[in-house]
Amino acid sequence: GNSVTQMEGPVTLSEEAFLTINCTYTATGYPSLFWYVQYPGEGLQLLLKATKADDKGSNKGFEATYRKETTSFHLEKGSVQVSDSAVYFCALSIYNFNKFYFGSGTKLNVKP
Amino acid sequence: DTGVSQNPRHKITKRGQNVTFRCDPISEHNRLYWYRQTLGQGPEFLTYFQNEAQLEKSRLLSDRFSAERPKGSFSTLEIQRTEQGDSAMYLCASSPTLAGNTEAFFGQGTRLTVV
Repeated sequence: GNSVTQMEGPVTLSEEAFLTINCTYTATGYPSLFWYVQYPGEGLQLLLKATKADDKGSNKGFEATYRKETTSFHLEKGSVQVSDSAVYFCALSIYNFNKFYFGSGTKLNVKP
Repeated sequence: DTGVSQNPRHKITKRGQNVTFRCDPISEHNRLYWYRQTLGQGPEFLTYFQNEAQLEKSRLLSDRFSAERPKGSFSTLEIQRTEQGDSAMYLCASSPTLAGNTEAFFGQGTRLTVV
């Protein structure tokens, strides 16, 4: 089947620390991969995406590379800020993008 | 505001009552999705519309749940005879039907509490 597994949180970092949130997937087809972010009291916002193997998605200093050989899409940022504190969801979509499969989310707390 | 709009934002209801939520997608987006998100979990797919046609329903969508999109614009999600296990955030998303489109735009959700 289709599923996404991401590291459990919460992850607590100091400002300017390096961030990695692990995400692996299983898919019956050839998926597109996404990271969504959810700030307190808000809906999901697309952070970045990658549609084929070896693609790198990037946005606001965050990056993730679609690794087909390891079925992974790990999220990284070189220097986190307090404003990055949120819940991050890894997700995949198959075929004609009529459905998204989400991981359980990883809460990031960044302390000044 | 041209984003996905959901109403109400919060709903508290007594067990056994019926509730209805509304979603207004981004204008001209053909696809509309409903998801449910429980505390500490990621969103789970409930159902999906292409224009007014409901093309797929999850097993999570029991007989007490019904969704409609009568004119291919806004959508409603009704839960009959609510149970405490229905307490969750209900998220709506929309996307255009474009070749190569890979993004869905989410609303802020309706938080349901069944007491």
